[in-house]
Amino acid sequence: DAGVTQSPTHLIKTRGQQVTLRCSPKSGHDTVSWYQQALGQGPQFIFQYYEEEERQRGNFPDRFSGHQFPNYSSELNVNALLLGDSALYLCASSLLGGHGGEQFFGPGTRLTVL
Amino acid sequence: EDQVTQSPEALRLQEGESSSLNCSYTVSGLRGLFWYRQDPGKGPEFLFTLYSAGEEKEKERLKATLTKKESFLHITAPKPEDSATYLCAVQDTTSGTYKYIFGTGTRLKVLA
Repeated sequence: DAGVTQSPTHLIKTRGQQVTLRCSPKSGHDTVSWYQQALGQGPQFIFQYYEEEERQRGNFPDRFSGHQFPNYSSELNVNALLLGDSALYLCASSLLGGHGGEQFFGPGTRLTVL
Repeated sequence: EDQVTQSPEALRLQEGESSSLNCSYTVSGLRGLFWYRQDPGKGPEFLFTLYSAGEEKEKERLKATLTKKESFLHITAPKPEDSATYLCAVQDTTSGTYKYIFGTGTRLKVLA
């Protein structure tokens, strides 16, 4: 049973550029949530996708956007990158818009902005 | 405002020296409290879900408990391989949202 997968593993960008991160949820899951984790901090909720719609959003600017595809996979897009966007970006999958409780995390994408 | 506070920030134990990690929370409507283990540079690994005060869950050397305001993760006779950051998260049901709110974690180091 495949767990949550994310790509790429690492990414280096320069300020002002745009980036797209990808996530495939755990088999049988229909909901994807994205988190940003700065070094030494807990994950911060960015947004959640369910039924191809953004259902919830944390305190992140509109530069952060996403998409969910019919096969439940998801993308996170960040425009106009800032140095402060450097972090580990985590994808988590769950069932039924988060009503199912447990979220299972992928290995993350380490984004470095220079 | 919803808040999760974990203590201590860091903990060093000798192998076999039992201890507890604390997670205190302030949330309007608690749907669940979750414990995760995170190794450096990796994604969090799910450990336990607790839903109501008085509930307990166990897995190997770990035992999680829940009260109305806090949760404890008890580690009995830890081994070096238990070294990791332990994260606590709560799921809030206020206003129909189900997002996770994480604490900053406890970094555990178990010395051989």
